[in-house]
Amino acid sequence: SAVISQKPSRDICQRGTSLTIQCQVDSQVTMMFWYRQQPGQSLTLIATANQGSEATYESGFVIDKFPISRPNLTFSTLTVSNMSPEDSSIYLCSVARGHPNYGYTFGSGTRLTVV
Amino acid sequence: GDSVTQMEGPVTLSEEAFLTINCTYTATGYPSLFWYVQYPGEGLQLLLKATKADDKGSNKGFEATYRKETTSFHLEKGSVQVSDSAVYFCALESGNTPLVFGKGTRLSVIA
Repeated sequence: SAVISQKPSRDICQRGTSLTIQCQVDSQVTMMFWYRQQPGQSLTLIATANQGSEATYESGFVIDKFPISRPNLTFSTLTVSNMSPEDSSIYLCSVARGHPNYGYTFGSGTRLTVV
Repeated sequence: GDSVTQMEGPVTLSEEAFLTINCTYTATGYPSLFWYVQYPGEGLQLLLKATKADDKGSNKGFEATYRKETTSFHLEKGSVQVSDSAVYFCALESGNTPLVFGKGTRLSVIA
């Protein structure tokens, strides 16, 4: 299965600023997924990123707030823009493990604190 | 839409106790079911999976059986260890939709 390198692992940011999170996969994958895990909560899908097309956002998430890039089949970035304390969460990227039923591999996550 | 409901935590057990974390699901199709584990300070890891009814997933002493008749996928372990302390997430995948997660159950095992 794929190995994902996600960075930064954590950051503390000032409100009003932006942070870009990177995910590098060791193999080519069609779709990459970005999740948010708010403190004490489950994972919520932010968007699905396909190479060569705009990301597909879930209800409650918009491109202006969470712009995503997918320049090639092994890399993606998620930017958290104009941050507020409510954006303090763990952000994770994920890819399918190959076969449709084999589950997903997750990056180690980015723990973001907005002050 | 598809959904996953799992028992709320936290669950606190003594070492070598028996563990059950309940998970039930609602899905329109025939989902694949997963348990993920998140150790303190780490990302999610796939613990086990089952892709069709009556399949049993197992890994590291954990087991879960896909029960279509009760739409359940309960996680069990016969003897927990301190190192099993983590948050456990039940999840499903159906058709082309991405993973749907339960809210997670925090397990604390004390020596």
